[in-house]
Amino acid sequence: SQELEQSPQSLIVQEGKNLTINCTSSKTLYGLYWYKQKYGEGLIFLMMLQKGGEEKSHEKITAKLDEKKQQSSLHITASQPSHAGIYLCGADRGSNYKLTFGKGTLLTVNP
Amino acid sequence: DAMVIQNPRYQVTQFGKPVTLSCSQTLNHNVMYWYQQKSSQAPKLLFHYYDKDFNNEADTPDNFQSRRPNTSFCFLDIRSPGLGDAAMYLCATSRDAQSTDTQYFGPGTRLTVL
Repeated sequence: SQELEQSPQSLIVQEGKNLTINCTSSKTLYGLYWYKQKYGEGLIFLMMLQKGGEEKSHEKITAKLDEKKQQSSLHITASQPSHAGIYLCGADRGSNYKLTFGKGTLLTVNP
Repeated sequence: DAMVIQNPRYQVTQFGKPVTLSCSQTLNHNVMYWYQQKSSQAPKLLFHYYDKDFNNEADTPDNFQSRRPNTSFCFLDIRSPGLGDAAMYLCATSRDAQSTDTQYFGPGTRLTVL
């Protein structure tokens, strides 16, 4: 069974629109990572959240972790074609080294 | 710039012919990881090295082996590739193995098995 559920699986937006991607777990997360992956390439680290209620921003991307530490959201403001790619959440479930990943959300931004 | 490098970026091998994928890092990190990612799926951890200590995931097939001759380099050996082993192989590193130690990934090697 999939331990980290990401929604939506894919998303197509018009340039300039805002969007949100969600990552949900049935178990408490000890560390929640967001990565971006261009097709056929490696993962680029975006942000890491650890504390319940934590929120971080970088440029136009904001990530939040809920108080119960079971759900995270990634919000992109005023999307651009450069935001296109696959967004993956990865979580540490307390085993330290091991990250469990969601299947990813494919984002397309149309000019 | 400090980085994680993978060679080659694309590898084609024949069914049953051994293949080795390479990863190097200039971050001087203690931990190196190998993930397998099949099309439209989540990356799956195969194993990792904490310094010289090798840690295999319970469900990693025996067909997959790894070597870490020094801090900078780590190799993934597939002894007898099958068609099901065609995938993107991702190498990652982290400074340590705590929850707060970010894993940094290389660009990946896409393996094709004919």
